[in-house]
Amino acid sequence: AQSVTQPDIHITVSEGASLELRCNYSYGATPYLFWYVQSPGQGLQLLLKYFSGDTLVQGIKGFEAEFKRSQSSFNLRKPSVHWSDAAEYFCAVSGGSYIPTFGRGTSLIVHP
Amino acid sequence: EPEVTQTPSHQVTQMGQEVILRCVPISNHLYFYWYRQILGQKVEFLVSFYNNEISEKSEIFDDQFSVERPDGSNFTLKIRSTKLEDSAMYFCASSEGSRANEQFFGPGTRLTVL
Repeated sequence: AQSVTQPDIHITVSEGASLELRCNYSYGATPYLFWYVQSPGQGLQLLLKYFSGDTLVQGIKGFEAEFKRSQSSFNLRKPSVHWSDAAEYFCAVSGGSYIPTFGRGTSLIVHP
Repeated sequence: EPEVTQTPSHQVTQMGQEVILRCVPISNHLYFYWYRQILGQKVEFLVSFYNNEISEKSEIFDDQFSVERPDGSNFTLKIRSTKLEDSAMYFCASSEGSRANEQFFGPGTRLTVL
């Protein structure tokens, strides 16, 4: 069965600092990988996804993620965080069924 | 920009009561989904729906749950006899296709069972 681990429950960064949110997955074949963001009172918005090809994927709002098969990881990065990036971030993996399995989420706190 | 909407935003009910959560998917989408998130836990898949029937469901989606597309726009989740442990945020999502298509999520309905 597929699974996702997001080891950090909370991450606090200063505005303008770089960000990396960790995600490790477990899946027997080549996975489909996703990062979603959830702002308070909002639904889940897709930031980016990896299906195949270039292992460095670019998403919306200046985010990128790198698929590393050897480490079973799909970490999310942003070079300079803005206060509006404060939200809950979810990593997800899917396989043949295309139904995503989500991680527990990482809450990003941005200090001014 | 088209979006998925859900009503109500918050529903409070007594244990044993029936609740219906409503969703309006994006109009040209064909696949519909329900997920739930118990406070502090992961978002969990409940069910997917296509062509007026369930295409996939999880172990969570037992006989007390049902889904329906009663008209051309709404997609509902019914919980027949709510339990305390049904308290959660319920998300509806829709997608154009099933295979590796992006799912668009609604803002969720917070269900509180007392």
